[in-house]
Amino acid sequence: AQTVTQSQPEMSVQEAETVTLSCTYDTSESDYYLFWYKQPPSRQMILVIRQEAYKQQNATENRFSVNFQKAAKSFSLKISDSQLGDAAMYFCAYRFRTGNQFYFGTGTSLTVIP
Amino acid sequence: KAGVTQTPRYLIKTRGQQVTLSCSPISGHRSVSWYQQTPGQGLQFLFEYFSETQRNKGNFPGRFSGRQFSNSRSEMNVSTLELGDSALYLCASSLGGSGETQYFGPGTRLLVL
Repeated sequence: AQTVTQSQPEMSVQEAETVTLSCTYDTSESDYYLFWYKQPPSRQMILVIRQEAYKQQNATENRFSVNFQKAAKSFSLKISDSQLGDAAMYFCAYRFRTGNQFYFGTGTSLTVIP
Repeated sequence: KAGVTQTPRYLIKTRGQQVTLSCSPISGHRSVSWYQQTPGQGLQFLFEYFSETQRNKGNFPGRFSGRQFSNSRSEMNVSTLELGDSALYLCASSLGGSGETQYFGPGTRLLVL
């Protein structure tokens, strides 16, 4: 079974501080893609960052970066200089190179404290 | 480019009724996937359509069906609604190639009474 585990149901961070959201996954495949999506109260899922499993270099997108450890099947998201607008539910997901189905974690609710 | 649009945004139905949800993908995208999101089960994959054909299917009963039109717009139908079908239904579109990112619509919130 393909599973994604986000062990932190809720996290909080002070504005301007850094927070790391954890994600582990289980798959026997070797070729896949990893994603972090953000879902604010509006419920619109927004892509935050994407990582190709064959790339060793960690993806970055402005204040967002990942720590991808393929052997450990770990894919954490670091948010630097947290802003109030970062408050949302964050979902970790992956998909295989072939096939279009995403496997999502249960989400981490992030609160940003002013 | 316009994003993924879903209609209607909110629906209230009663048990036993059927419902049709619509999704218009980003222009040029040929793949549309549907997900059900509930507090208890999280995000669960329903099915994916590509070029008017169902390409992948999740573990949902046959009451859940879909289709895709030649312009890539997709509809999802749920027949004989049950209380447990109350959820946010999200559709996502992509170009359809391997590894493509999916872009989500705002969702349709369905409440079954």
